[in-house]
Amino acid sequence: QKEVEQNSGPLSVPEGAIASLNCTYSDRGSQSFFWYRQYSGKSPELIMSIYSNGDKEDGRFTAQLNKASQYVSLLIRDSQPSDSATYLCAVFLYNQGGKLIFGQGTELSVKP
Amino acid sequence: DAEITQSPRHKITETGRQVTLACHQTWNHNNMFWYRQDLGHGLRLIHYSYGVQDTNKGEVSDGYSVSRSNTEDLPLTLESAASSQTSVYFCASGRAGSYEQYFGPGTRLTVT
Repeated sequence: QKEVEQNSGPLSVPEGAIASLNCTYSDRGSQSFFWYRQYSGKSPELIMSIYSNGDKEDGRFTAQLNKASQYVSLLIRDSQPSDSATYLCAVFLYNQGGKLIFGQGTELSVKP
Repeated sequence: DAEITQSPRHKITETGRQVTLACHQTWNHNNMFWYRQDLGHGLRLIHYSYGVQDTNKGEVSDGYSVSRSNTEDLPLTLESAASSQTSVYFCASGRAGSYEQYFGPGTRLTVT
């Protein structure tokens, strides 16, 4: 089992819809979770951090964390074509000597 | 404005040559990291530093070295470049005590 797993996609949604991106992780002791957005040819950009169970909202973005299920997700409401990018889930893994481990990313395509 | 920069942005070198990639940040962040990103492997940690004179190996450190003589800079050296080191290299930094990381624009390295 990979330490951080994401569906590679591509995930295609129509403009205005809700995009749901999912991530599972292996270390039950992890406490810190992040979502990065990466446009093609660009560097990853931190868009959300979440540390507690439940939902965290920032504008059109909502991060959801369920530590019991070892599951973190990102919802993008009212998706726009400008949201088309690869979304990387990152988990701080204590059992790896304290390192941020990235999933391989989910490619999101928002169709006008 | 505070920022993180990488140079050069593109580099072509020959097998066996020593190459140094520069990373400079003006956020006064204690933590600095080097990653490589390849199709099928995602972001992989090469080396990292939690402060001046501190350096640590990541998961793919063979053939790479770093040194940290001040807070602002963490240069990455490829001792003897190999074709397997053709990749996009990202530097990142973060505050002490925080697991959030902020990425530089990247360096695309080609080893021929």
